[in-house]
Amino acid sequence: AQSVTQLDSQVPVFEEAPVELRCNYSSSVSVYLFWYVQYPNQGLQLLLKYLSGSTLVKGINGFEAEFNKSQTSFHLRKPSVHISDTAEYFCAVTTGQGAQKLVFGQGTRLTINP
Amino acid sequence: EPEVTQTPSHQVTQMGQEVILRCVPISNHLYFYWYRQILGQKVEFLVSFYNNEISEKSEIFDDQFSVERPDGSNFTLKIRSTKLEDSAMYFCASSEGWNEQFFGPGTRLTVL
Repeated sequence: AQSVTQLDSQVPVFEEAPVELRCNYSSSVSVYLFWYVQYPNQGLQLLLKYLSGSTLVKGINGFEAEFNKSQTSFHLRKPSVHISDTAEYFCAVTTGQGAQKLVFGQGTRLTINP
Repeated sequence: EPEVTQTPSHQVTQMGQEVILRCVPISNHLYFYWYRQILGQKVEFLVSFYNNEISEKSEIFDDQFSVERPDGSNFTLKIRSTKLEDSAMYFCASSEGWNEQFFGPGTRLTVL
C-alpha cells in the first residue's frame, strides 16, 4: 500500500518570498506523483505531475517539483509567491495502470502575507 | 475547456435519509471516481468505476454506498441511510487513463 506524508500542515510566507512544501511517500512499487491545489471553496486542480523522465517537473503558476527516488520525496517549490497562491496544497501518488486510486497526503495550507 | 460538474453544491439531510450525489464527468473519459474529504482531514478515495463496474473500492465504501452510471453522461453516488459521520465534501473525478484525474468542485453533504 502507498502512503503520503506532508510534513507541514501550515506554511506562512511573505509575498515574493520563496516557498517549499514538503512531500514524502512510501510504496513498495513504482509510483507516479502529483501535486493538486485547492483554492477556497473550489475543487482540486492539478498543479503538476511526475510520470517518468526528468526528475524536475514544471507546472502551472510558476510551481515546480523535484522527484527524488532515493529520498522518496517530491517537494514543491516556487521562487517567488503571490497573494493569489494562498490555498491548500495536496501531494498524491498512484501506482498507475487502469482505474488507479490517488492516495493523498494531509495537505499543506499555504498562507501568503503581504 | 471541458470540466467535471457536480450537483448539488450543498446538500443537507437528516440522519437515516438517502441521498444521491450527481456528477457529470468529462465526456470522453473512461474512468470515474468518488473521493471524500471530512472537514480538516485528507482527501480519501471511495471508489473507482470503469466499463460499467466497480474496479476498486475502499473500506469506507460499505453496503450503504453504491454508484451508478444511469446513462451516458451521469455518474452518481448513493448513500442509502446517512450517518452523522458521512458529513463531508464529496468529490467526483474522471480520467482518460491513469495519468491525470480531473476533479469536480465537490458537493458538501451535511447530515443532521
